[in-house]
Amino acid sequence: NAGVIQTPRHKVTGKGQEATLWCEPISGHSAVFWYRQTIVQGLEFLTYFRNQAPIDDSGMPKERFSAQMPNQSHSTLKIQSTQPQDSAVYLCASSLDGGAEDTQYFGPGTRLLVL
Amino acid sequence: GDQVEQSPSALSLHEGTGSALRCNFTTTMRAVQWFQQNSRGSLINLFYLASGTKENGRLKSTFNSKESYSTLHIRDAQLEDSGTYFCAALNTEGADRLTFGKGTQLIIQP
Repeated sequence: NAGVIQTPRHKVTGKGQEATLWCEPISGHSAVFWYRQTIVQGLEFLTYFRNQAPIDDSGMPKERFSAQMPNQSHSTLKIQSTQPQDSAVYLCASSLDGGAEDTQYFGPGTRLLVL
Repeated sequence: GDQVEQSPSALSLHEGTGSALRCNFTTTMRAVQWFQQNSRGSLINLFYLASGTKENGRLKSTFNSKESYSTLHIRDAQLEDSGTYFCAALNTEGADRLTFGKGTQLIIQP
């Protein structure tokens, strides 16, 4: 079991550029979550999918951020026109069912730096 | 306000000693997870509890939904226990997203 895989591990981008982050959930897990971690805000929920369908995107910034899950083996988080305040560690997690009482397993994160 | 209040924010222990971390919840939660974040930034699962107490080696955690708190006890602390510990909870409204506390930075001294 390779665990949740995230790529790239580090990304540096210039202000105004686009950044795409990738997540491969644990095989067999049907729920995928995205969170981000900053010093100021701590760990915050962004969005999640169950069986590839978007369920809750209440944590996503309304502009510039989008997430997709085109198949059961990967999800992407895209940030358009990146801004310095988008700098954070973006964490992906997966769980077996996404329902009640289900452990979420986290990937190592993608550290995004917007210059 | 914050739904998950974690304390203390920082803690220093000598090897071989122990202590407890605590999370208080301002709304009813249905489950809690505890994580250790290591020096590489990875979130390592410690416990998932929907109720009661679980123990794993030198760690023990309790979750009391009615009284809205959870604790993580560490005994016989070792150097490798250093890191930041987070609790994260699922509320009862059916949402599956975790709400995290702000973490406890634990330093184990020789």
